[in-house]
Amino acid sequence: EVQLVESGGGLVQPGGSLRLSCAVSGFTVTTYRMSWVRQAPGKGLEWVSYISYSSNTIDYADSVKGRFTISIDNAKNSLYLQMNSLRAEDTAVYYCARHSVNVLPFDYWGQGTLVTVSS
Amino acid sequence: EIVMTQSPVTLSVSPGERATLSCRASQSVSSNLAWYQQKPGQAPRLLIYGASTRATGIPARFSGSGSGTEFTLTISSLRSEDFAVYYCQQYNNWPPITFGQGTRLEIK
Repeated sequence: EVQLVESGGGLVQPGGSLRLSCAVSGFTVTTYRMSWVRQAPGKGLEWVSYISYSSNTIDYADSVKGRFTISIDNAKNSLYLQMNSLRAEDTAVYYCARHSVNVLPFDYWGQGTLVTVSS
Repeated sequence: EIVMTQSPVTLSVSPGERATLSCRASQSVSSNLAWYQQKPGQAPRLLIYGASTRATGIPARFSGSGSGTEFTLTISSLRSEDFAVYYCQQYNNWPPITFGQGTRLEIK
């Protein structure tokens, strides 16, 4: 059974850092393309970052470029999002999501982890 | 960046009736369009990809159509579990992958 479980969210002050984790099971994280997608409270979905199978291709939304870093740990079968210089507008539920094979839409999502940036 | 615009923002429909949701792209996305359903407190669920292909396990009452810039999601006979927020997503020109702002389907 495919499962994605996020962790690492919480309350952080503006300018602070957090590292989100997404532990996956039921598949090997390096054999699928993966993304992070966020949703601000009461708002819609916003794609944040993408990583390809072998981490050769990495992309970011302009809103997080230079502040966030996506990565994969093959040994732990996990996806990560290092978030630095956090701003109030980064407050959101962060989902990790798997891109389906051969097409780009997201076929599996985690349950999300809430990040709140506030003083 | 391709902007996705969904209409209406809120749609009120009675159970058993048909619901038609629209999504428009600011430029052609070919058939690289997906639809998701999201219920409160839950992650989105993939319904449709390739504009018209149902994802695994999605009931036949959900159908998608369109290409280029105009797309439609139709739910043929609404059931109570279908009332949710629906998002379209383009994956033709990316990054960034972009979503519509969502249509809330509510019980009339």
